Amino acid sequence: AQTVTQSQPEMSVQEAETVTLSCTYDTSESDYYLFWYKQPPSRQMILVIRQEAYKQQNATENRFSVNFQKAAKSFSLKISDSQLGDAAMYFCAYRSHDMRFGAGTRLTVKP
Amino acid sequence: DTGVSQDPRHKITKRGQNVTFRCDPISEHNRLYWYRQTLGQGPEFLTYFQNEAQLEKSRLLSDRFSAERPKGSFSTLEIQRTEQGDSAMYLCASSFSLPNEQFFGPGTRLTVL
Repeated sequence: AQTVTQSQPEMSVQEAETVTLSCTYDTSESDYYLFWYKQPPSRQMILVIRQEAYKQQNATENRFSVNFQKAAKSFSLKISDSQLGDAAMYFCAYRSHDMRFGAGTRLTVKP
Repeated sequence: DTGVSQDPRHKITKRGQNVTFRCDPISEHNRLYWYRQTLGQGPEFLTYFQNEAQLEKSRLLSDRFSAERPKGSFSTLEIQRTEQGDSAMYLCASSFSLPNEQFFGPGTRLTVL
């Protein structure tokens, strides 16, 4: 069974600084997709960034980038120039057939 | 059509009652997913549909749970004889077929007293 582990229940970052959220996963599949979703308080989940496992190049979306290490089964999210609006729960997710989510990391941004 | 919608947003019920939730996906999407999310946890997959066919069900989906998507558009999730352990946020998501992202609705928060 595929499992997704987020080892940091909470993280904090100063506004304008950079923070990295960790995620590891376990799978025997070779073809899959990895996602980071953001869930602001009392608001719905939105996609932050997506990575296809067959692509070696790390995905980047504006201030958000990933460090995808397939052999290590690691998929960390880097948020650069953190903004107050980045405060949210962040979920790492793995998708081969169904979608599996980690337990989440609560990110606090300090002004 | 601006996104996935769910109704109701909140539901409070007494143990033993039946409840039904509705999800309206993004109209062009052929896949629809149901998840359950408890406090402090990530969403847990329950089931998904491709068009009107229910293709996969999690072991979390006990026989008290049933989901339908009769015309391949909206879906309903019914919980019979609710238990306190059913209290959670029930999320719906939709997508095109793989590998596209899933778009989530706002969820229905169920409280079983």
